[in-house]
Amino acid sequence: AIQMTQSPSSLSASVGDSVTITCRASQGIRNDLGWYQQKPGKAPKLLIYTASTLESGVPSRFSGSGSDTDFTLTITSLQPEDFATYYCLQDYLYPRTFGQGTKVEIK
Amino acid sequence: DVQLLESGGGLVQPGGSVRLSCAASGFTFSVYAMNWVRQAPGKGLEWVSGVSGSGGRTYYADSVKGRFTISRDNPMNTLYLEMNSLRADDTALYYCAKDRIGGSYYSPGGPLHIWGQGTMVTVSS
Repeated sequence: AIQMTQSPSSLSASVGDSVTITCRASQGIRNDLGWYQQKPGKAPKLLIYTASTLESGVPSRFSGSGSDTDFTLTITSLQPEDFATYYCLQDYLYPRTFGQGTKVEIK
Repeated sequence: DVQLLESGGGLVQPGGSVRLSCAASGFTFSVYAMNWVRQAPGKGLEWVSGVSGSGGRTYYADSVKGRFTISRDNPMNTLYLEMNSLRADDTALYYCAKDRIGGSYYSPGGPLHIWGQGTMVTVSS
């Protein structure tokens, strides 16, 4: 199975900061990667797919980049509602595999 | 509106079985592959299983292969997960999720863009 290594596992930031989360695949996955946001007690929500396409309704302060094995999620100008846990998920091959998650906390 | 509603979770003894259901509405169910994803308490997300729109192809994580069976009833717009030989580490909130792209068979149909709210399975004596 493809392994997805996500880092960091957690980070602290202030409202207005920019943060970057990375995901590395153990083999090339083209751009078949999505980013998800999960808040406590809620189902995950798709933010970005095909590495860089913003899902409808997602604010433009979220952006994604990368291809092959290395991917990033960037959140510019963090808002209070952005404090959550973020996951990457490869949809190149079955079995699908998630990264370990990154918890974004308020500094 | 597209909706997914899971049911069937509860307390199960180790070695026991349970069947989860996911009722779908608001889209042409048979066109889209469907998935189960789980989350153990305080842990990350783990993809568990997927099934093609026709039900002809099924896929599993190594951690559940041989113990879990995914299936679907397209006329009833319902997805299932039959879970056998349950262990304590199967304790989790189980979500069903829909592929974004229809028609996929041998590979995932894009991201998981619609999720249910989950049903909790607790494996304990």
